Parts: sequence; C-alpha cells; structure tokens
Amino acid sequence: GQQVMQIPQYQHVQEGEDFTTYCNSSTTLSNIQWYKQRPGGHPVFLIQLVKSGEVKKQKRLTFQFGEAKKNSSLHITATQTTDVGTYFCAGSLDRGSTLGRLYFGRGTQLTVWP
Amino acid sequence: DAGITQSPRYKITETGRQVTLMCHQTWSHSYMFWYRQDLGHGLRLIYYSAAADITDKGEVPDGYVVSRSKTENFPLTLESATRSQTSVYFCASSESEGELAEAFFGQGTRLTVV
Repeated sequence: GQQVMQIPQYQHVQEGEDFTTYCNSSTTLSNIQWYKQRPGGHPVFLIQLVKSGEVKKQKRLTFQFGEAKKNSSLHITATQTTDVGTYFCAGSLDRGSTLGRLYFGRGTQLTVWP
Repeated sequence: DAGITQSPRYKITETGRQVTLMCHQTWSHSYMFWYRQDLGHGLRLIYYSAAADITDKGEVPDGYVVSRSKTENFPLTLESATRSQTSVYFCASSESEGELAEAFFGQGTRLTVV
C-alpha cells in the first residue's frame, strides 16, 4: 500500500544548528504538505508543494519537492527554541477513491537545546 | 465560532464500554478524517469521509465505527473500548477542491481506557 517514510524519527540539536527531515514515498505524489505539531498541540499546516522540483521558503524554513515527486525535505537554518515540535510530511494522490486522503509520515521530533 | 471542534477533550472510560467522540466543523468542508496518535506511530488514519453518507476505512479501522449524516459532523464510536485504544484522537477536515488541500485539525481528544 501507499507509504510515506520519514526520517529521522528524532533529532536533537543545539540552538543555532541546522535541521533537516526527509520524506520518501513509494509512489508518485500529487502534492506534499508539511505540518508542525507543538508539544501538547495539534498539527498545523505549514506549506504545500505541488510542482516537480519546487522549492519554497518561509523565513528560516526551506521546503523542497523532488523532481520525481516521490521525496521531499524540510530544512531549518539556525534553529531556535521556538522550532521545537514534531514535523510531519503528508502526501496525497490525485486519483480514484483516495482523492483527498493524506498519507502522513511518522514525523520527526525536534528538540532544541538552548 | 468558526473552525473544527472536538468533544470531549479528555475522556476516561472502562474496557468494554461504548464511547463516542464528536467532531464538528463550520466550514462545510467535504473531507473529514479521524486519526489516532500514539508514540512512535505518528498519525494513523482510522476512517475518512469524502462527503455526507460516504465513508471509507483508513489504516486502523478495526473496533471503530463512523457515520456522516450531516456534512459538518463526523462522530467516531468505539463500540467496545479496549486498552489498546487508549490514544489521542484527532479529527481533521479539508476541502480538497482545487490545488490547496490543507487539513485543519481539531484540538484532539485524549482517551484513556482503563
């Protein structure tokens, strides 16, 4: 079945260091979304990538969608303590009965030491 | 208030009891989802619905029942609760028409089965 794999599961960094999480899909995705969940909170949408090779930036966050639309990455430059949380990728297919369904990765839990 | 709301926020129930978790959204989104979140498993899809009276199983549907008689409501029922169903449950909705298919999550229901 459709799977979205996300690594690493955990990442501990010192404030100021960079952070990257990676997602890989077994099949081609229509689009990929990224969510952030703060401790004790609920997932909140960050961004969606749709085009092959697309790169989007939000301040210190850089999101990439692979050329084959099977992988994606989120890179945070110079992490801050406010970046703490779990980052999820979620891909969707654009065909048949699975239209609208998101396939979530297991998430990467980021801890930032001050 | 506009948005997606879950109730109750916390619930303790006994093994074997039936319990229903409520989810209500005010956007008239077509898609609604139920996820459970457990340590090490990320977000796992239980059931989803593409429209009123249309529901489909996700990854982990056993022991759960859903209904969607109205677009805005998507209750999740545990027919006979088991300890393995202790988890945090998130409801989400999305429109999934056009390019942007952002999912909006509720605050979550923390369910403990004793």
